[in-house]
Amino acid sequence: DGGITQSPKYLFRKEGQNVTLSCEQNLNHDAMYWYRQDPGQGLRLIYYSQIVNDFQKGDIAEGYSVSREKKESFPLTVTSAQKNPTAFYLCASTTGQNYGYTFGSGTRLTVV
Amino acid sequence: KNEVEQSPQNLTAQEGEFITINCSYSVGISALHWLQQHPGGGIVSLFMLSSGKKKHGRLIATINIQEKHSSLHITASHPRDSAVYICAVRSREVSNYKLTFGKGTLLTVNP
Repeated sequence: DGGITQSPKYLFRKEGQNVTLSCEQNLNHDAMYWYRQDPGQGLRLIYYSQIVNDFQKGDIAEGYSVSREKKESFPLTVTSAQKNPTAFYLCASTTGQNYGYTFGSGTRLTVV
Repeated sequence: KNEVEQSPQNLTAQEGEFITINCSYSVGISALHWLQQHPGGGIVSLFMLSSGKKKHGRLIATINIQEKHSSLHITASHPRDSAVYICAVRSREVSNYKLTFGKGTLLTVNP
């Protein structure tokens, strides 16, 4: 079955370390997104990519970086510059205007 | 003011009750989505609406474009319906298919 795979499900890192979250899809979707979810807040857009080798900053891109070298993959790096990285991170994809979205199962990052 | 407002924030019901969750938005939209998030965190897309009404099993979603309002109804609610229900809209003004999300409604259905 097609879908989005996010790994790992839980991730613990020490403060000051960079960490990369994986997002892989086999849906042949062009557009991919990274969202952050904090308690009591709606999901907020970090980065998105509508085509391979191109990506755009979302509303809260500071302290994060991404790459889109392959259509299937859109990894997110949480850098040491991100001041409050502990959160739940969701990856999503869509094929276009008239279609729905598919979401991954998320990665819960805890920085200690 | 958030672009997407949901009410209520929390809802507790008894099994079998009819549930309504509301979503109001302030921008022109090309589509509205209802999503379900279970305690494990993964999100499932329930409906995508641009007009009218959709039904899937015990779930019904309606939208009124003129009033910028949508409702999600659950008939004959069951404890397995307990989850966070999230409304999200895609603005008509942008071409990047970006979604703006409400904060979610936590539904608890007791047996």
